[in-house]
Amino acid sequence: DQQVKQNSPSLSVQEGRISILNCDYTNSMFDYFLWYKKYPAEGPTFLISISSIKDKNEDGRFTVFLNKSAKHLSLHIVPSQPGDSAVYFCAARASGGYQKVTFGTGTKLQVIP
Amino acid sequence: EPEVTQTPSHQVTQMGQEVILRCVPISNHLYFYWYRQILGQKVEFLVSFYNNEISEKSEIFDDQFSVERPDGSNFTLKIRSTKLEDSAMYFCASSGRTGRDEQYFGPGTRLTVT
Repeated sequence: DQQVKQNSPSLSVQEGRISILNCDYTNSMFDYFLWYKKYPAEGPTFLISISSIKDKNEDGRFTVFLNKSAKHLSLHIVPSQPGDSAVYFCAARASGGYQKVTFGTGTKLQVIP
Repeated sequence: EPEVTQTPSHQVTQMGQEVILRCVPISNHLYFYWYRQILGQKVEFLVSFYNNEISEKSEIFDDQFSVERPDGSNFTLKIRSTKLEDSAMYFCASSGRTGRDEQYFGPGTRLTVT
């Protein structure tokens, strides 16, 4: 049941360049989207989120874009830093008061110094 | 900065045994969750808990699983009779005053069932 899909299992980017991580979803009931970062041996860390009523949310070096018609979102990291190397999970939550967060399979980002 | 803590970090148990995984959520949070991640797979929701009762659960959370908040600080996940396929990382999370707030995750407990 792949309601949240991250089709790129890994991504390598040079330090200072832009990292773009992509995510697609299939459930039309999703109205809130999140990105989590995960280092080995740690739990997921909340990074940034976006409500379905917006198409962009920015927080420092991180920007999330949402295209509802395409059921697609992306996370941009500019400029990328070696400390950004981690697994990034796209996640979503449905409308109707549900708390359950549905995660994608993750994209492993490597930022090369 | 407040954080969610989990104990133990690694638990090894034999098939059929009961295990209890423990979590201390962030102190002023009201919603508590358990997720699991089988090796190589995605993080999966198990259950959410609010006001001393389960508010949501997934199809994974069957009668073998139970959750409890035995006191004002701990939140536990019990697996009554473990199976090999229960081997996974189990993450506890908590969120603030509403179920729509961001969820903050603990470092996880690695459960190995032999």
